[in-house]
Amino acid sequence: AQKITQTQPGMFVQEKEAVTLDCTYDTSDPSYGLFWYKQPSSGEMIFLIYQGSYDQQNATEGRYSLNFQKARKSANLVISASQLGDSAMYFCAMREGYTNAGKSTFGDGTTLTVKP
Amino acid sequence: DVKVTQSSRYLVKRTGEKVFLECVQDMDHENMFWYRQDPGLGLRLIYFSYDVKMKEKGDIPEGYSVSREKKERFSLILESASTNQTSMYLCASSLLRGGTEAFFGQGTRLTVV
Repeated sequence: AQKITQTQPGMFVQEKEAVTLDCTYDTSDPSYGLFWYKQPSSGEMIFLIYQGSYDQQNATEGRYSLNFQKARKSANLVISASQLGDSAMYFCAMREGYTNAGKSTFGDGTTLTVKP
Repeated sequence: DVKVTQSSRYLVKRTGEKVFLECVQDMDHENMFWYRQDPGLGLRLIYFSYDVKMKEKGDIPEGYSVSREKKERFSLILESASTNQTSMYLCASSLLRGGTEAFFGQGTRLTVV
């Protein structure tokens, strides 16, 4: 079974609007971390936001927020006020247990296109 | 500014060649990783290392080996390149415990002909 599922291969959003990228995960470990990364066409993976399984509040970083619904095993990324520079591929990832952040399982990614 | 640097952005190699992909990080991180990225498959872990001269297999180690002689450098080796190893290769580093992110290099797009 896939541990990280991103069901949206591609998404379009109008500039200045908000967009939600979906991510569901599967783990039996009570301790885990969830990440979102952005990959522009240049290829480098850029860390956006992190949510720990024991964190009480949803993570936020500037225009990025993570809608964490633990019971549903859902960790959707919300980007507010989209910008043209947000056009990229977005990956959801998870580490299980106390293993370090780099050893993660990644989803297949969602390509976001922001329209002017 | 923290940096993970991969030696090449693009490489073209012939089938059967021995290929070295180099990665250097300047953050004094204990852990380093090699991932492979293919369309529709996301990122898959090939090998990782949590200390000098230590290595662990990831999910798809077949056809690859690694070397870590110094803390800052992690090399991925394709002993005999094959066309099915044509892919994007990403190196990453992170702290040993905890930490909220991994830092990635810019990627190496390898084509084996």
